[in-house]
Amino acid sequence: DAGVIQSPRHEVTEMGQEVTLRCKPISGHNSLFWYRQTMMRGLELLIYFNNNVPIDDSGMPEDRFSAKMPNASFSTLKIQPSEPRDSAVYFCASSYPGTDPTYEQYFGPGTRLTVT
Amino acid sequence: KNEVEQSPQNLTAQEGEFITINCSYSVGISALHWLQQHPGGGIVSLFMLSSGKKKHGRLIATINIQEKHSSLHITASHPRDSAVYICAVIHRPLLSNTGNQFYFGTGTSLTVIP
Repeated sequence: DAGVIQSPRHEVTEMGQEVTLRCKPISGHNSLFWYRQTMMRGLELLIYFNNNVPIDDSGMPEDRFSAKMPNASFSTLKIQPSEPRDSAVYFCASSYPGTDPTYEQYFGPGTRLTVT
Repeated sequence: KNEVEQSPQNLTAQEGEFITINCSYSVGISALHWLQQHPGGGIVSLFMLSSGKKKHGRLIATINIQEKHSSLHITASHPRDSAVYICAVIHRPLLSNTGNQFYFGTGTSLTVIP
């Protein structure tokens, strides 16, 4: 099993540009989570999906952030327009089974985003 | 006020020592999660527990729901245990139309010296 796959691993962009982060969960997992980690705020949950449906997006910082899960094997987190304060490591995680997020999560390697 | 408090923030131990990391929380939870973040940044889930105790190799996690407290123990610590350990709790609000809420501790940075 390849585990959770995230791309790109590193992204450097200029303020105002659109950024798209990608995640492929472990096959068969039906819950997917997007996290952000910064030195100041630590690890934060942005949004999670069950069976491709967003369940809770209360952690999404503002309207510049959007996430989609068009199918069970792919999700995107988009920031438009990006700002320097969005610089962070973004993790994707998946878990199985069911709609209960209390099952063990498997984390991807993260995407380190730097907005200049 | 932080919903999840971890202690200590930093911990240095000699190889072979018994280590305890504590996590206290203030909300009602459906589960508590211990995560390990390696120096390279990767995150691994160690335990997910909602009651009692779980053991995996040299790692033991316990939770006391009444006291709203969990501990992560490492027996016979080794330099490869050096990492940041993060406690996360999952709170299920009473309102059924809201999702679960996740709260994270700030982490305990553990260094095990050979």
